[in-house]
Amino acid sequence: DQQVKQNSPSLSVQEGRISILNCDYTNSMFDYFLWYKKYPAEGPTFLISISSIKDKNEDGRFTVFLNKSAKHLSLHIVPSQPGDSAVYFCAARDPNAGGTSYGKLTFGQGTILTVHP
Amino acid sequence: ETGVTQSPTHLIKTRGQQVTLRCSSQSGHNTVSWYQQALGQGPQFIFQYYREEENGRGNFPPRFSGLQFPNYSSELNVNALELDDSALYLCASSGKGEGQYFGAGTRLSVL
Repeated sequence: DQQVKQNSPSLSVQEGRISILNCDYTNSMFDYFLWYKKYPAEGPTFLISISSIKDKNEDGRFTVFLNKSAKHLSLHIVPSQPGDSAVYFCAARDPNAGGTSYGKLTFGQGTILTVHP
Repeated sequence: ETGVTQSPTHLIKTRGQQVTLRCSSQSGHNTVSWYQQALGQGPQFIFQYYREEENGRGNFPPRFSGLQFPNYSSELNVNALELDDSALYLCASSGKGEGQYFGAGTRLSVL
């Protein structure tokens, strides 16, 4: 069962414009959501997160929005830069799934973002 | 750079063999999680080790096993390799109240 889904395999955006990456989830027990960025030959790098008790979190050019009723979150990157080109993963934490710290993370399939100069 | 190192970077094995992958966690981190990332998919949680004990396991068979050592480094062992085990194996370390920091992974190919 795919509890976290990123339905867009790829997204292409012009430099300076907004990039919007979307993520849907089915498990209402998830209490924390994270976005990771991954470059080729590197591990995923933490980007930004949001607690389930909030609906927005902002960090510089990156903003994550959470709509709990729709079980949907999105990552906005404004303005997009060519260096943002990477695979973006949405991940969610289930506090009841065992483990400590950030416990077991469930990842989406990823969205390849390409920002054109 | 996250301070999490994995070895080897690439590995080729044949079906039925056994493999051991290694991970050194970031200094001060006592928790290590292992993930399998198949081509075109997101990472899938295998298991987590905290203070040398398995502490949470995903939907993987018992032939996937692990160890954590007193210095918090960790090993992932896979017995009786199958073709579908071909994937990128990621290790992530974390400490109290922090997020997970990933290594660059080990690319395993099973022929």
